[in-house]
Amino acid sequence: AQSVTQLGSHVSVSEGALVLLRCNYSSSVPPYLFWYVQYPNQGLQLLLKYTTGATLVKGINGFEAEFKKSETSFHLTKPSAHMSDAAEYFCAVIRSSSNTGKLIFGQGTTLQVKP
Amino acid sequence: GAGVSQSPSNKVTEKGKDVELRCDPISGHTALYWYRQRLGQGLEFLIYFQGNSAPDKSGLPSDRFSAERTGESVSTLTIQRTQQEDSAVYLCASSFDPRNNSPLHFGNGTRLTVT
Repeated sequence: AQSVTQLGSHVSVSEGALVLLRCNYSSSVPPYLFWYVQYPNQGLQLLLKYTTGATLVKGINGFEAEFKKSETSFHLTKPSAHMSDAAEYFCAVIRSSSNTGKLIFGQGTTLQVKP
Repeated sequence: GAGVSQSPSNKVTEKGKDVELRCDPISGHTALYWYRQRLGQGLEFLIYFQGNSAPDKSGLPSDRFSAERTGESVSTLTIQRTQQEDSAVYLCASSFDPRNNSPLHFGNGTRLTVT
């Protein structure tokens, strides 16, 4: 079965430091990959997605992620953290053979940004 | 235009009572999804609608859970004889065309507390 693993349920960085949130998927066929962000008491907002083409994907708010098939990874990065980046981040996949668009989510990583 | 709207935003109910949660998707979105988010956990898929049909209801945890969609629009998720383990945030999402992996747009959720 398709699964998504996010390493580290909590990540803490200082303002201005590099943000790295890890995501690995298990699938013999590369799925479509997504990162969502959830601010407190809000729904999820799409940060970026990878379906086909360029493996380095740029998203909103300065985030980017790189699809690495050999490592079955889709880690999320941002060069310089801002206080407003504090939120929960979810990695998700859709099976490439799916026609339902059903997202399978990882457990989430809470990002704390310290001043 | 308006996003995905969910009501109520908060619901407190006594164990054993029935509850109905409502989702108004974005107009024109054919696909609608319900997810459950328990405290500190990722999102669990519950059910997927394409139009008014539910081809995938594999995530419904028990027969106490049911959902319907009418007019290819509004959806209601009903939980009968609520239990404390049903306490969670219930998120609804919609998308324009799941076959082309259109992004899911999420509502802000209904926070259900069963006392």
